[in-house]
Amino acid sequence: DAGVIQSPRHEVTEMGQEVTLRCKPISGHDYLFWYRQTMMRGLELLIYFNNNVPIDDSGMPEDRFSAKMPNASFSTLKIQPSEPRDSAVYFCASSFRISTDTQYFGPGTRLTVL
Amino acid sequence: SQQGEEDPQALSIQEGENATMNCSYKTSINNLQWYRQNSGRGLVHLILIRSNEREKHSGRLRVTLDTSKKSSSLLITASRAADTASYFCATVRTTSGTYKYIFGTGTRLKVLA
Repeated sequence: DAGVIQSPRHEVTEMGQEVTLRCKPISGHDYLFWYRQTMMRGLELLIYFNNNVPIDDSGMPEDRFSAKMPNASFSTLKIQPSEPRDSAVYFCASSFRISTDTQYFGPGTRLTVL
Repeated sequence: SQQGEEDPQALSIQEGENATMNCSYKTSINNLQWYRQNSGRGLVHLILIRSNEREKHSGRLRVTLDTSKKSSSLLITASRAADTASYFCATVRTTSGTYKYIFGTGTRLKVLA
């Protein structure tokens, strides 16, 4: 398996623009997670899905952030409109089970909002 | 403050020495996991310890868990330059029917050749 795939790897955009990050989880994994990592706040869980259904989005910082999982092999994280403080590395991860299983992380998308 | 606080924030040792990192947390947990992150990369799972376990080994890694003190430690024995990375603990707990997965602040380990 190719592992968790994220695209793009790097994104530079201007404030106010819409940003869409993409993730393909490992085939057969029922859980998908979106994280944000910054120097100031560390690694934060934004939202996770189970069988394509959002379970906990309490980590989503604002209404400008939205995530979808239209099918088992694809998820998006959208920021609209983007702001400079959204600059971070965004990771997607997947796992077979949530409680006792390893999470497999993608390589991340480095987002810079100017 | 965060569920997982790690200590020290940074650690520099010579190759061959042992490295110990600590993680403290605030609430009851289902399990605790340790991850490694190389610079510019995603996290890689190292080891999981359940709340009813006290110690676990995997190769050169040894993890302990003390639920009474709400703390865990990761020991890397006979360190190598390739162990240079950031190490994170992550706690998993259930609350209101959902799982909360919270990462610590991380320890930056540098192993000098």
